[in-house]
Amino acid sequence: AQKITQTQPGMFVQEKEAVTLDCTYDTSDPSYGLFWYKQPSSGEMIFLIYQGSYDQQNATEGRYSLNFQKARKSANLVISASQLGDSAMYFCAMSYMNYGGSQGNLIFGKGTKLSVKP
Amino acid sequence: EAGVTQSPTHLIKTRGQQATLRCSPISGHTSVYWYQQALGLGLQFLLWYDEGEERNRGNFPPRFSGRQFPNYSSELNVNALELEDSALYLCASSTNRGEQYFGPGTRLTVT
Repeated sequence: AQKITQTQPGMFVQEKEAVTLDCTYDTSDPSYGLFWYKQPSSGEMIFLIYQGSYDQQNATEGRYSLNFQKARKSANLVISASQLGDSAMYFCAMSYMNYGGSQGNLIFGKGTKLSVKP
Repeated sequence: EAGVTQSPTHLIKTRGQQATLRCSPISGHTSVYWYQQALGLGLQFLLWYDEGEERNRGNFPPRFSGRQFPNYSSELNVNALELEDSALYLCASSTNRGEQYFGPGTRLTVT
């Protein structure tokens, strides 16, 4: 069965510094997708970044990058130049990917609460 | 482009009643997913609909059900409400690559 583990319940970072949020996963499927979402206190889940298991390069989206280490089954999120608005819950998630490239439902980790200090 | 919309924003019901939650996906998305986020339990997958068919179901009792309409919007029904059904219910729709975009959620309170 697929499983996502986020070992950091909470983290603090100084404004303008970089921060890494850890995520490890477990699956026996060769094809899968890895996702990171941000959930502010308002409750809405905001898609940040996606990495496919066959992607050769680490995904990047603006200040977000995903440090994908397939052999270690880790998919850490790196946020560069933290901003006060980055304070939120961050969830790592995984989905299987079928042959057609489409994916099914997501399995989520328990999340990491990031607090950015001014 | 309009995002995923959900209604109502808040819903208050009493134990034993039925609740109906609605979701409209992003235009062009055919898959709709429902998730429950209860305090202390994290995000749990409920149901996945694609092209009008139920594709997968999470570990929830049969009183959680839903459907997807020809315009790809979806409805989640929860029968015989229990106190522990109080949660934020999130709907998402996905691109072909599987990136899921979420709506703002419906907060269900059961008293």
